[in-house]
Amino acid sequence: AAGVIQSPRHLIKEKRETATLKCYPIPRHDTVYWYQQGPGQDPQFLISFYEKMQSDKGSIPDRFSAQQFSDYHSELNMSSLELGDSALYFCASSQGTSGSFNEQFFGPGTRLTVL
Amino acid sequence: GENVEQHPSTLSVQEGDSAVIKCTYSDSASNYFPWYKQELGKRPQLIIDIRSNVGEKKDQRIAVTLNKTAKHFSLHITETQPEDSAVYFCAANNTNAGKSTFGDGTTLTVKP
Repeated sequence: AAGVIQSPRHLIKEKRETATLKCYPIPRHDTVYWYQQGPGQDPQFLISFYEKMQSDKGSIPDRFSAQQFSDYHSELNMSSLELGDSALYFCASSQGTSGSFNEQFFGPGTRLTVL
Repeated sequence: GENVEQHPSTLSVQEGDSAVIKCTYSDSASNYFPWYKQELGKRPQLIIDIRSNVGEKKDQRIAVTLNKTAKHFSLHITETQPEDSAVYFCAANNTNAGKSTFGDGTTLTVKP
């Protein structure tokens, strides 16, 4: 069965550079969530999109932005990278958000290292 | 917003024993409670979930209980095996909002 695809799987950047992370949800899933997981931490919700509109916003820094495209894939854009941005970034997808079954399927993650 | 507390942070059991992990949540609007198993460097994998209209759910060696009044839910693993060793996260979710708020995680070690 198709799963959530994330690219790249690993990314190394310098401080103050920019990075773009991509997420391709499971086919027919219309909702995408982004999570940031620091070493030894639980996943922290950043932002989500439902039908290409932002549906919720968590602890996403102003330096980050994201969007969902017409094919439902999503991109997380990160600018002015800081050392503290080094983490695993997970994307998850689900089918619908409002009152419906909400099992989230996680992608393999992108490991971002900021030097 | 939602706040999820998870205990214990580490748990060590002997193979064959049971393991219990407990979580509490704060937002009475939360109505969906998944549990994830995460191995080092891997994605969280859903192992069981429960909805607020159900008090208990079981799947082979894994069970989850929910007390909506007290706002707490628990994961029970029976007949533990070394391959159960991982970090387990509980989460609380309001299906109208969608996002999951995770507990801090429990590192389970099953000793052979």
